[in-house]
Amino acid sequence: ILNVEQSPQSLHVQEGDSTNFTCSFPSSNFYALHWYRWETAKSPEALFVMTLNGDEKKKGRISATLNTKEGYSYLYIKGSQPEDSATYLCAFPATDSWGKLQFGAGTQVVVTP
Amino acid sequence: EAGVAQSPRYKIIEKRQSVAFWCNPISGHATLYWYQQILGQGPKLLIQFQNNGVVDDSQLPKDRFSAERLKGVDSTLKIQPAKLEDSAVYLCASSSGTFTDTQYFGPGTRLTVL
Repeated sequence: ILNVEQSPQSLHVQEGDSTNFTCSFPSSNFYALHWYRWETAKSPEALFVMTLNGDEKKKGRISATLNTKEGYSYLYIKGSQPEDSATYLCAFPATDSWGKLQFGAGTQVVVTP
Repeated sequence: EAGVAQSPRYKIIEKRQSVAFWCNPISGHATLYWYQQILGQGPKLLIQFQNNGVVDDSQLPKDRFSAERLKGVDSTLKIQPAKLEDSAVYLCASSSGTFTDTQYFGPGTRLTVL
């Protein structure tokens, strides 16, 4: 994998259901993986910065895991609520520039009551 | 702590017109980024400043886009002349500047070029 890829592109979830989606990234020269949540008309909000293989982070009902050897991260939403509706972006630092992030296209989550 | 401020929030212009966006980063953040997010794609870095120097502008269309960061604080991004394909959300972000530092984003400017 040369770029950051996210799947699925979009998903619809019933309120109360749990869901998860994937970010795939180049497994060589790993430094960090960033997750952001971007609600319509708001600023993208940082969720997690993950740096260690096997890392698991949690923020409320949202959690993420990291596998640097195989180059993927999962983001989980437990008991989805309408306020979880957003586009979830993952980003991988480019090795050719200090701090430059390569973003995936995002997973758009729509939670319906 | 105040977040990243951007203005305007929305802008509609005709093609071949000029437009400018303004960004005020979080106080003390040395690194400032401008991203372009086209519908259906992830944000793409246009230019990165470290203090008031350019670190990366490899994806900035320099024939029409320009950016500056005065005194290492505020920044402006200009498009002159605009094309239809410049319709996008322009995001400004700031950080302390390393791979593991969180980038804090402003709300973006949604540009529509008609």
